[in-house]
Amino acid sequence: EPEVTQTPSHQVTQMGQEVILRCVPISNHLYFYWYRQILGQKVEFLVSFYNNEISEKSEIFDDQFSVERPDGSNFTLKIRSTKLEDSAMYFCASSDRQPLNQPQHFGDGTRLSIL
Amino acid sequence: EDKVVQSPLSLVVHEGDTVTLNCSYEVTNFRSLLWYKQEKKAPTFLFMLTSSGIEKKSGRLSSILDKKELFSILNITATQTGDSAVYLCAVGAAGNKLTFGGGTRVLVKP
Repeated sequence: EPEVTQTPSHQVTQMGQEVILRCVPISNHLYFYWYRQILGQKVEFLVSFYNNEISEKSEIFDDQFSVERPDGSNFTLKIRSTKLEDSAMYFCASSDRQPLNQPQHFGDGTRLSIL
Repeated sequence: EDKVVQSPLSLVVHEGDTVTLNCSYEVTNFRSLLWYKQEKKAPTFLFMLTSSGIEKKSGRLSSILDKKELFSILNITATQTGDSAVYLCAVGAAGNKLTFGGGTRVLVKP
């Protein structure tokens, strides 16, 4: 069964450094998302992406964050100048059509640890 | 602000028991409610509900939505140890995002 794949599974970074989290969505999907889950808290929406542009973003997704689809298969989340509070599990998801009519499928996540 | 609340926070049952998980929501422009199972990593899709009163079933799992009372339940019958997980409820409203509840942790003992 097709799945969303994320790399790396665990990333450890010094505070202030930049990180790039990578995702390969399911191949025929058109809508892409990033969510995060701080340890012990709810899964929170960060951003959705369609047709090479951001379609919606949350208050969390400030200028520190950016997303990109650099080629036909990858979808990346960049976090500039990381802070301790950025430590979380980051999930990528994708859906194949209008997202409110089709379920979002999630990857295994990248655990980001900021030291 | 959209809100999704799940109850109970956690429960412990024995194999063969039936469990009922609850999800209530307050959202603007409701479109869909989804249930996911989260074991160690990725939330795995279980059900998507958009219409009131229509039960969705998959094996021992079933779910139903009440759009008047703004809640959904997820039932698991004849539980097995493999059902141990965190079950997440999420609501899709206007826009593309899902709003998640805090989850219910289910532990099934042999």
